Amino acid sequence: DQQVKQNSPSLSVQEGRISILNCDYTNSMFDYFLWYKKYPAEGPTFLISISSIKDKNEDGRFTVFLNKSAKHLSLHIVPSQPGDSAVYFCGAAGNKLTFGGGTRVLVKP
Amino acid sequence: KAGVTQTPRYLIKTRGQQVTLSCSPISGHRSVSWYQQTPGQGLQFLFEYFSETQRNKGNFPGRFSGRQFSNSRSEMNVSTLELGDSALYLCASSSEPPGQGYTGELFFGEGSRLTVL
Repeated sequence: DQQVKQNSPSLSVQEGRISILNCDYTNSMFDYFLWYKKYPAEGPTFLISISSIKDKNEDGRFTVFLNKSAKHLSLHIVPSQPGDSAVYFCGAAGNKLTFGGGTRVLVKP
Repeated sequence: KAGVTQTPRYLIKTRGQQVTLSCSPISGHRSVSWYQQTPGQGLQFLFEYFSETQRNKGNFPGRFSGRQFSNSRSEMNVSTLELGDSALYLCASSSEPPGQGYTGELFFGEGSRLTVL
């Protein structure tokens, strides 16, 4: 029972362009959403979050959009940089934090 | 402030053995969560402890167990290891339990990579 899904396992984008990562969830009780970034041999690190009462949150090059009616959120990275190459996990918080399967992003110079 | 510390970082076991992994949370954090990361499966929730009590448990067999001590340090144990248990086991700590209005972040350790032969 995957309550949080990231349907794109990988994404390749040119440096300077926009990266768009998508995440779908099924549980309407989730009230807080987070994105984490993970480099190989390191633990995931927090990137950005959004409360269910908002539809957008921005932090520098990173913007998260939430569409509650569609149970969908997305992460936009603009402009993409080679250092953004990593695996990105979408997480949704109810009584615990549930993560999606991850999207591997490769930013090409 | 020291981060989340997990030991050991790497270990190799054979089928049928058991393993214990340790996690020391950030000082002052009382909540510890455990996740299993495997290729293609993302981060699968194992269990979460807060003030020595298991609050939530994921869909893993009873071979997976854990506990939390009074100093908030946590251990997880996997008995009768199977090949499919090979994974990166991640521990995360937070000041409050995830959910229930908590809007902070989890702080992850670097993980313990278990290989079962």
